[in-house]
Amino acid sequence: GESVGLHLPTLSVQEGDNSIINCAYSNSASDYFIWYKQESGKGPQFIIDIRSNMDKRQGQRVTVLLNKTVKHLSLQIAATQPGDSAVYFCAQHGLFFGTGTRLTVIP
Amino acid sequence: NAGVTQTPKFQVLKTGQSMTLQCAQDMNHNSMYWYRQDPGMGLRLIYYSASEGTTDKGEVPNGYNVSRLNKREFSLRLESAAPSQTSVYFCASREEDDGRSSNQPQHFGDGTRLSIL
Repeated sequence: GESVGLHLPTLSVQEGDNSIINCAYSNSASDYFIWYKQESGKGPQFIIDIRSNMDKRQGQRVTVLLNKTVKHLSLQIAATQPGDSAVYFCAQHGLFFGTGTRLTVIP
Repeated sequence: NAGVTQTPKFQVLKTGQSMTLQCAQDMNHNSMYWYRQDPGMGLRLIYYSASEGTTDKGEVPNGYNVSRLNKREFSLRLESAAPSQTSVYFCASREEDDGRSSNQPQHFGDGTRLSIL
């Protein structure tokens, strides 16, 4: 079956610093990955996605890196802001979710 | 544009009671999904519907049934609720026909918080 995990359950960063959230996956056949952000009391919200034919994709203040050799992807958030505080999930095919990392931004 | 709407937002049930969770999307999406979210477990797929008229089991289907009423609506039913089904339930949708293998993100509702005593 699918397995998606995250290296750290919690991450605290100072406002203005960069954040890096990691995710490992087990199914090497996966060709599509998504990062979601979930705020308290809300459903997950799409942030950025990446297909397996890419190593890196950038959005507004966010970058996703995909390393297929070690089955690892990361989400980098630049200049982290208080509004970035949330739980972040990676998902394969958008169906199989990791347990999430709770990001706390310290003002 | 409401996106994905779930009702109710909160519900408390007694063990053995039945209940149907409702979900509707207004984005003309083909595929719809039901997840449950428990602390420390992330989201787990219960059932999905790749298109109107079809439903398939996900990771944790036991104790649940679903109905794809039409293209817009996908309901989740608990026939005899158990305390282990206390969770937050999320409905999601996306455009693709193939529900399990898709290169598109899902759109989620804000969840139904269900407690079973």
